[in-house]
Parts: sequence; structure tokens; C-alpha cells
Amino acid sequence: EVQLVESGGGLVQPGGSLRLSCTASGFTLNSHWMTWVRQAPGKGLEWVANIKQDGSESFYVDSVKGRFTISRDNAKNSLYLRMNSLRAEDTAVYYCARDINGAYGDDVRLDYWGQGTLVTVSS
Amino acid sequence: SSELTQDPAVSVALGQTVRITCQGDNLRSYYASWYQQKPGQAPVLVIYDKDKRPSGIPDRFSGSSSGTTGTLTITGAQAEDEADYYCCSRDTSGNQIYVFGTGTKVTVL
Repeated sequence: EVQLVESGGGLVQPGGSLRLSCTASGFTLNSHWMTWVRQAPGKGLEWVANIKQDGSESFYVDSVKGRFTISRDNAKNSLYLRMNSLRAEDTAVYYCARDINGAYGDDVRLDYWGQGTLVTVSS
Repeated sequence: SSELTQDPAVSVALGQTVRITCQGDNLRSYYASWYQQKPGQAPVLVIYDKDKRPSGIPDRFSGSSSGTTGTLTITGAQAEDEADYYCCSRDTSGNQIYVFGTGTKVTVL
């Protein structure tokens, strides 16, 4: 059974940093692109970033470029999101998802999602 | 970047058909995928590659596409279909990003 479990969320002050983790099981992580998606309280879904199977390529939404870094450790079956210079508008539930087609495929297909981890940026 | 526009809310009588639309210029180039999200839960993929259903998704869910509009249809809506639905596609600006639609709240009466 495919499972994705996020961790690392919490309360952080504006300007602070946080690293989210996503632990994968039930499939071979190094065979898949992976994606982070976030959802602000009461709002819709927003794609944040994705990363290629070997970590050699990654892409970001403009609002997090230069502040967030997506990475992975396939040996540990883990995906990460390092978030620096956090702002109030980064407050959201952050989901990791398996990204079947990746950055160069046809449609976007995010077929398995974790349950999410809440990040709150507030003083 | 491009945008995907959805109606904020629609309602459907139990057992009837509801169509949820997603409009955006990037849908000329890419099909929309569709995600169902119930309160407090993670999104679930219900349609991909225009009209394909993942394993375990009931066949009352179907997808279609024409021009700049993608459509998710629920034929014979059930109480458990009450949820938020989001479309998703690629941006066509060449920067390899994804875009989600604004979301539609479906209420089953």
C-alpha cells in the first residue's frame, strides 16, 4: 500500500525557517517525481514545487522561489521542503504527493497524497 | 502564469447529474486532472488524462474536454460526493509549473 506521511510542521515566527519531511512507503521513491502542494486555511490548493527522480531538476511557483528548496533522499525514502524567510502568507497545510508525469509529461497526475502537515507563520 | 477558473459552488439533487467546469487557455494544450477533497482530508485524484479513472473511483465520475474547458461529470450523485473539487493542469508559459483551479463546492441535496 502506497503511503506518504508528512512531518515537521509547526508554529514559526515571520522570517524563520522550517524543514518539512515526507516519508514514502509502498513504492519505489526513486522511480517517481514528487510534488509539494499547499492549502491556506479556508482556501484552495496551490502547487509549490516538484523534483525529478534523481533530484537533478526542480521547479517552483514564483511566490516561493529563492526561499524554498525541495530535495530528496531516495535511500531514506524521503522528500523534503526547506522553507526560509517565512511569511504570514506561507501559513498552510503542506501536502506531498506522488507526481506520475513530472515536469515534462502530458497531464498533471498526482495520484497519492499524504495527510498534510500544518505550518503556521505568526509572531 | 495562467489561471483555471471554476464556479465557486454548485448543488445537485441526490441521484441527479452535476457538471463541474474548469476554464483556462492552457486547457487547449493540456487536459485537466480532477481532485476531490472532503473536509479535513487530503485531496484524492478522481480523473486524469481527460477521462481516465484511477482504481477505486466509481464510474459515476467521468471527464471530458473541449477547447479551453474541462468538465467533470458526476452521474447519479451520492451523498458521499459532497466535497470540494479542483481541476489542475500545466502552465503554458514554459516555466514547468502546475496550476490548480479555484475550486468548486458541490452540495448534494
